[in-house]
Amino acid sequence: DAGVTQSPTHLIKTRGQQVTLRCSPKSGHDTVSWYQQALGQGPQFIFQYYEEEERQRGNFPDRFSGHQFPNYSSELNVNALLLGDSALYLCASSLAQPQETQYFGPGTRLLVL
Amino acid sequence: DAKTTQPPSMDCAEGRAANLPCNHSTISGNEYVYWYRQIHSQGPQYIIHGLKNNETNEMASLIITEDRKSSTLILPHATLRDTAVYYCIVRVSVPFSGQNFVFGPGTRLSVLP
Repeated sequence: DAGVTQSPTHLIKTRGQQVTLRCSPKSGHDTVSWYQQALGQGPQFIFQYYEEEERQRGNFPDRFSGHQFPNYSSELNVNALLLGDSALYLCASSLAQPQETQYFGPGTRLLVL
Repeated sequence: DAKTTQPPSMDCAEGRAANLPCNHSTISGNEYVYWYRQIHSQGPQYIIHGLKNNETNEMASLIITEDRKSSTLILPHATLRDTAVYYCIVRVSVPFSGQNFVFGPGTRLSVLP
């Protein structure tokens, strides 16, 4: 049973560029959430996708956008990158049912220079 | 802001039980207590969750006080591989309720040989 997978594992970009991160959920899961984790801090919720729609959003600017595909996989897009966007980006998948335990992927480490 | 309070760090001798406390004095009746851990630079790993009864699985035990204002995660025989940051989170298990996993700074557990 495949767990949550993310690609790429590491990425280096320069300020002003755009980046796309990808996530495949755990088999059978239909909901994907994205988190940003700065060095030394806990993960911060960005947004959540279910049935190809953004269902909930954290306190992140519109530069952060996402998409969910019919196969439940998801992308996180960040435009106009800032140095402060350097972080570990985590994807978590779950079922949209009462026991909504989230399972996390290994993350994508983004460095903005 | 996180609804939980945890000690910033703890030490535990290898082979002994690790008892990690968490205070959640403002927990609501429909909020579950979740525990995750994060080993250096990896994605958070789900450990256990509960509502009001004590829970046990292959990884750990969760003891929730009768008034539900605090809980303890117990790793019965800690090993060096249990060295990680442990996060205690309270959250309703209702899909798209507006709540998501809010991670605080967690407890950094060091298991010592």
